[in-house]
Amino acid sequence: AQTVTQSQPEMSVQEAETVTLSCTYDTSESDYYLFWYKQPPSRQMILVIRQEAYKQQNATENRFSVNFQKAAKSFSLKISDSQLGDAAMYFCAYRRDDKIIFGKGTRLHILP
Amino acid sequence: KAGVTQTPRYLIKTRGQQVTLSCSPISGHRSVSWYQQTPGQGLQFLFEYFSETQRNKGNFPGRFSGRQFSNSRSEMNVSTLELGDSALYLCASSTRAATNEKLFFGSGTQLSVL
Repeated sequence: AQTVTQSQPEMSVQEAETVTLSCTYDTSESDYYLFWYKQPPSRQMILVIRQEAYKQQNATENRFSVNFQKAAKSFSLKISDSQLGDAAMYFCAYRRDDKIIFGKGTRLHILP
Repeated sequence: KAGVTQTPRYLIKTRGQQVTLSCSPISGHRSVSWYQQTPGQGLQFLFEYFSETQRNKGNFPGRFSGRQFSNSRSEMNVSTLELGDSALYLCASSTRAATNEKLFFGSGTQLSVL
């Protein structure tokens, strides 16, 4: 069965610094999608970035980028120039066909 | 364009009661999925509806059910509530029920079972 593991329940980073959130997953499939979602205190989950497994190039969205290592089944999120508004829970998710699995999340604190 | 709307925001029920939660998707979105979020289990998939048909279901007991109407609005029902059903229930909508589709989430309904 597929699993998604986020090994860091909480992390802190100084404002303007860079932070990397870890995510590993387990699957026997070769074609799937990976996502990072952000959940601020408002509770509304927001898509941060999306990666197709068949693409070798790492996805980038402004200050957010991923390091996708397919063989290692690793999908980490790097946030550059951290801002106070980045403080939130971050969830890594795996999706293939009708199945979507989320990690348990990493709470990110931004220190002013 | 209005976002995904979930009502009510908060709900308090007692054990044994039943509850119905509502989700209005973004206009034009035909797929609605539901998730249960708890501190211990994280975010777990409940079910997904597309064009009034349940496409797939997560690993939850039959007490959890849902439906989707012709206007794509969806409701989720939990019968015979248990203490462990206390959670944040999130719904999400997308244009299609496809693997790579971006999900747009609502702000959830916080259910407390006493």
